[in-house]
Amino acid sequence: GPKVLQIPSHQIIDMGQMVTLNCDPVSNHLYFYWYKQILGQQMEFLVNFYNGKVMEKSKLFKDQFSVERPDGSYFTLKIQPTALEDSAVYFCASSLDRGSGNTLYFGEGSRLIVV
Amino acid sequence: GQQVKQSSPSLTVQEGGISILNCDYENDMFDYFAWYKKYPDNSPTLLISVRSNVDKREDGRLTVFLNKSGKHFSLHITASQPEDTAVYLCAAGAGGGSAKLIFGEGTKLTVSS
Repeated sequence: GPKVLQIPSHQIIDMGQMVTLNCDPVSNHLYFYWYKQILGQQMEFLVNFYNGKVMEKSKLFKDQFSVERPDGSYFTLKIQPTALEDSAVYFCASSLDRGSGNTLYFGEGSRLIVV
Repeated sequence: GQQVKQSSPSLTVQEGGISILNCDYENDMFDYFAWYKKYPDNSPTLLISVRSNVDKREDGRLTVFLNKSGKHFSLHITASQPEDTAVYLCAAGAGGGSAKLIFGEGTKLTVSS
């Protein structure tokens, strides 16, 4: 089936530094998402993105977070500066269209550890 | 608050039996309900979904039941097999142009042979 690729799969970073998580979505998809899963907790919606803009975001999407997809390249989540509580697995997803009936295709996650 | 909740963190079923996974939700605006399956260190993948205008959908060994008045939906897996062992995530979405899905905490299903 369609694949979403995430790079890196794991990253350890010092608190206060910047990190960029990269996502290569399914090629014809137009909607992109980031979810955050802290160990032992549920996967929580952070943000979705369409046509170069943030469409919806949750309270977890702090000011230190930003997303972009320059010229059809990777869809990225940038955290600057990182904090200890940002340690989690971040899942990227994409869908063909909006509306909750559209299937989300997920990547395998990027495990971020902030020390 | 937790809008989508799976109250059972784990479930063990004998091979050949029926696995029943449950999900409760709070938001009356949800009109789309889905079950995703996740293996360790792998991506969640959609198993089956249903819109709010139906109360049941079957696909092979899988059946989703939706109880809108009770704000509850469930996944039944018949003839459970060891390869069904995984984490099952329920999810709900509100439509109206919203694209986001809200996920439950997951239920770890173990099918023992």
